[in-house]
Amino acid sequence: SQQGEEDPQALSIQEGENATMNCSYKTSINNLQWYRQNSGRGLVHLILIRSNEREKHSGRLRVTLDTSKKSSSLLITASRAADTASYFCATDANSGGSNYKLTFGKGTLLTVNP
Amino acid sequence: NAGVTQTPKFQVLKTGQSMTLQCAQDMNHEYMSWYRQDPGMGLRLIHYSVGAGITDQGEVPNGYNVSRSTTEDFPLRLLSAAPSQTSVYFCASRTRRNTEAFFGQGTRLTVV
Repeated sequence: SQQGEEDPQALSIQEGENATMNCSYKTSINNLQWYRQNSGRGLVHLILIRSNEREKHSGRLRVTLDTSKKSSSLLITASRAADTASYFCATDANSGGSNYKLTFGKGTLLTVNP
Repeated sequence: NAGVTQTPKFQVLKTGQSMTLQCAQDMNHEYMSWYRQDPGMGLRLIHYSVGAGITDQGEVPNGYNVSRSTTEDFPLRLLSAAPSQTSVYFCASRTRRNTEAFFGQGTRLTVV
């Protein structure tokens, strides 16, 4: 079964606003990653946060990780119309036969209106 | 670098036909995976490989075969296509676990 679950499923905001997406997962992880997918295209890696990190920044992206709650959030600040895409979290599990699998959630569809 | 290359981009099959989706990467990555993406289901892992000669099943392996004879190539075979296999298929590669994955542009498959 899928490891990550994003929330909300869809988010619509105005340009310039901040967008926050959440991800919850079930098992112990080594890291959590966020990916972006423009309509009809392949996924592109955005940021990776390791299990011993609590917060990470990359440009307008801020990711937090709370391993006690098994959750992560992705914040996109000062959003632009070009940020319109689907965003997925993915996890590398920490144990057993899942060690080699990168498991994805169902994604959040972000629409940024001009 | 071309990265991860998938062919074909689009394919229509009749029920019962077989075909091979090709995936090649030029980054010397050990790990390669196949995912399918269906509306509302996100990406689900079909098969993966951690090196040449080593493959294993993912979450939804039924109806698909894989082999990994070289580091560069990881083809996905549909043995007898069914309408339930209508989906977008993505190949991904990465150097090892706990690193970022690189994706191909996808193959959109329709089985009629």
